[in-house]
Amino acid sequence: GDSVTQMEGPVTLSEEAFLTINCTYTATGYPSLFWYVQYPGEGLQLLLKATKADDKGSNKGFEATYRKETTSFHLEKGSVQVSDSAVYFCALSVSGGYNKLIFGAGTRLAVHP
Amino acid sequence: DGGITQSPKYLFRKEGQNVTLSCEQNLNHDAMYWYRQDPGQGLRLIYYSQIVNDFQKGDIAEGYSVSREKKESFPLTVTSAQKNPTAFYLCASSISLTGRRITEQYFGPGTRLTVT
Repeated sequence: GDSVTQMEGPVTLSEEAFLTINCTYTATGYPSLFWYVQYPGEGLQLLLKATKADDKGSNKGFEATYRKETTSFHLEKGSVQVSDSAVYFCALSVSGGYNKLIFGAGTRLAVHP
Repeated sequence: DGGITQSPKYLFRKEGQNVTLSCEQNLNHDAMYWYRQDPGQGLRLIYYSQIVNDFQKGDIAEGYSVSREKKESFPLTVTSAQKNPTAFYLCASSISLTGRRITEQYFGPGTRLTVT
């Protein structure tokens, strides 16, 4: 079945360091891919998305490129801030159904000054 | 501002009691969803509704029930049949799926339910 695998956390970085959070997927159809962010005690916020191969989603300095050949959608940011500390979820959705989102387990990011 | 509200933020119940979690949206979205989140895990789909007066079971519907009498509202009842009800519950919505490709879901702030 369809699934998403994320790198395990926590990821601990110093401020201004480069961030990569790996995400790979398995899907029988042609999925759309998403990154959501969850700050402590809150719901999920859509961070970025990509709907077809080679699309690059970007928002707030974060980027991810839809790589069909490697079935990946890695999240990157060039210079993290303390305020980026949160849990990041990679997710996919496959058409033909009810817009079901399949989530990875989440990766906790902790950025210290 | 448009958005999704969930209330209350924290809810405490005794084992054996049913409890209803509220979810309201003013985004004019047709589709609504309920997810459950457990520590260190991703979200799992409980129920979803694509239109008023219609809803379908998700992956973990046992012990839960929903209703969709109004477009704006999609309450979730956690019944006494749910064996492990303590969790963080998230409601989401998206635009109509009819004739459209996949679209993103927007989430509410969540309700943390503790059952003792």
